[in-house]
Amino acid sequence: EAGVTQSPTHLIKTRGQQVTLRCSPISGHTSVYWYQQALGLGLQFLLWYDEGEERNRGNFPPRFSGRQFPNYSSELNVNALELEDSALYLCASSPPARGSEKLFFGSGTQLSVL
Amino acid sequence: SQQGEEDPQALSIQEGENATMNCSYKTSINNLQWYRQNSGRGLVHLILIRSNEREKHSGRLRVTLDTSKKSSSLLITASRAADTASYFCARAPNAGGTSYGKLTFGQGTILTVHP
Repeated sequence: EAGVTQSPTHLIKTRGQQVTLRCSPISGHTSVYWYQQALGLGLQFLLWYDEGEERNRGNFPPRFSGRQFPNYSSELNVNALELEDSALYLCASSPPARGSEKLFFGSGTQLSVL
Repeated sequence: SQQGEEDPQALSIQEGENATMNCSYKTSINNLQWYRQNSGRGLVHLILIRSNEREKHSGRLRVTLDTSKKSSSLLITASRAADTASYFCARAPNAGGTSYGKLTFGQGTILTVHP
């Protein structure tokens, strides 16, 4: 069974640009979570999608947004990139109605903003 | 300050020794989870302990939870070089509140096991 897959694995952008990161959850999982891990820091919660709806959001500005598609895959969009957006972006999934249970993580997308 | 703080920040031991990592938190929890991260890649779930549990085992892992002290510990026994990684605790809030679905991670403990 395939795990959580994220694309791309690495990305280099310049300040002010926009970026889209993609995530495919484990088959049967309906919840997708996005986390940001800046260098040397712990994971910061970004977004939680379940059944196509945004269920919760972390303390990030509105230029961080996303969506979940009918097949439960998800996109994270970041507009007007800033240097401090450089981080590892991790996607995770979980089975239905398991908002605070075990998460299954992808390998992440390393975003560098120059 | 962040919820789910771990200590120590870094731990260096020899193969065969035990490694103990601690996690403290500030608000009530539904459960507390431990994850492992190799080389800045994805996290792997190790163990989950619920708020009404005091101790849980999984292979060489032992997790304890003291809700009165709002703390948890992860013990890895007979460590191996392959256990070298960062270890994170994650606090899961109770259902229904505004924090539902948000796992709050600490900054992690970097464990190095020397062969």
